Amino acid sequence: NAGVTQTPKFRVLKTGQSMTLLCAQDMNHEYMYWYRQDPGMGLRLIHYSVGEGTTAKGEVPDGYNVSRLKKQNFLLGLESAAPSQTSVYFCASSHPAGDSYEQFFGPGTRLTVL
Amino acid sequence: DQQVKQNSPSLSVQEGRISILNCDYTNSMFDYFLWYKKYPAEGPTFLISISSIKDKNEDGRFTVFLNKSAKHLSLHIVPSQPGDSAVYFCAASVGSGYSTLTFGKGTMLLVSP
Repeated sequence: NAGVTQTPKFRVLKTGQSMTLLCAQDMNHEYMYWYRQDPGMGLRLIHYSVGEGTTAKGEVPDGYNVSRLKKQNFLLGLESAAPSQTSVYFCASSHPAGDSYEQFFGPGTRLTVL
Repeated sequence: DQQVKQNSPSLSVQEGRISILNCDYTNSMFDYFLWYKKYPAEGPTFLISISSIKDKNEDGRFTVFLNKSAKHLSLHIVPSQPGDSAVYFCAASVGSGYSTLTFGKGTMLLVSP
């Protein structure tokens, strides 16, 4: 049971390049999330999904797109990377059960945009 | 405007003593609160949570206290251990069929032997 995994772990891009971050979970969770963490800023929600085929914007969605074609995968895309998108990206998943709001996080992807 | 605030960026405590991490919130609609712990180069891991219908929740060495009138919660770690050294994030949610969490900026706890 791997939990939440993220690919790749590290990436360096040049300004204007595109890339896709992959998140996979094997817990059969309905909900998935993408966050970014910047120094001194905590975690900020980029986009989230409440089920296969659905996505919604979070707090900082500009410059990112997402897709949830399969329940276990949540992809985060950067169409034209900018230095302001240098950050650590975390994926998380959760499943509504009773009063549990716990989200399970992946290990993160460290992205640098030059 | 920050809805969840952790005003202390860092806290240093000696091993065996109590660590108290504080969190304030401004959104009165928040009704569920969580604490996450994060080690360097790892993702956050869930530590403990509390619903707004309670004022205290305890799990081993960790206790979370909620003061709804003051919109304040705190995490107590007793006794503190060097392995507790990490960044601690407070998070809050508005109850619904699904949950999005609003995180504070985190407090780095250093427990020295």
